[in-house]
Amino acid sequence: QVQLQESGPGLVKPSETLSLTCTVSGGSIRSHYWSWIRQPPGKGLEWIGYMHHSGSANYNPSLESRVTISLDTSRNQFSLKLSSVTAAEAAVYYCARYVTSTTLAYFDTWGQGTLVTVSS
Amino acid sequence: DIQLTQSPSSLSASVEDRVTITCRASQTISTYLNWYQQKPGKAPKLLIYTASTLQSGVPSRFSASGSGTDFTLTISSLQPEDFATYYCQQSFITPHTFGQGTKLEIK
Repeated sequence: QVQLQESGPGLVKPSETLSLTCTVSGGSIRSHYWSWIRQPPGKGLEWIGYMHHSGSANYNPSLESRVTISLDTSRNQFSLKLSSVTAAEAAVYYCARYVTSTTLAYFDTWGQGTLVTVSS
Repeated sequence: DIQLTQSPSSLSASVEDRVTITCRASQTISTYLNWYQQKPGKAPKLLIYTASTLQSGVPSRFSASGSGTDFTLTISSLQPEDFATYYCQQSFITPHTFGQGTKLEIK
């Protein structure tokens, strides 16, 4: 059974870069797409982007200029970097597996989430 | 972006009630619509994918239907563990978007 676990700093200063890592166990990141999704406290879910081990990536246009998702197949991890963060980007950040084929596409496995606060 | 509008935004119901949540898309999304359940402090959990397919391990009291722009999630007989927030999500085109959520509370 695939499991995901986020890790990284819980506090980031405004204008700096948020960096998080998701460790995948029970399965290889050489399959499927690997995604980041965030949720501000008390609010809804926002898709950030995802990446496939082939190098194919897709980002939310609202964040695209500041986001990088990368995969480390040797460590079975993937990471998120979001630059120039603002206080409004404080949220629980989730990593998730994105399963897709010609007829279906969904986020089937999620990490527990990690809260990132943006404050000086 | 495709907007997903859920109704109602909140709902009070009793154990064993039958409840229905709707999700309307701002443009057609075929059946690329998924439903998630989220409990406080937890990650969302996939319930239904491709509009009507029950994810493995999800109780059969959950069902869903729809295509195009209009979708529904039904819980046939509410159990105590079903009180949570429910989100629809479209995977028809990027950016993937979620509905604003429906909070299901105990009456």
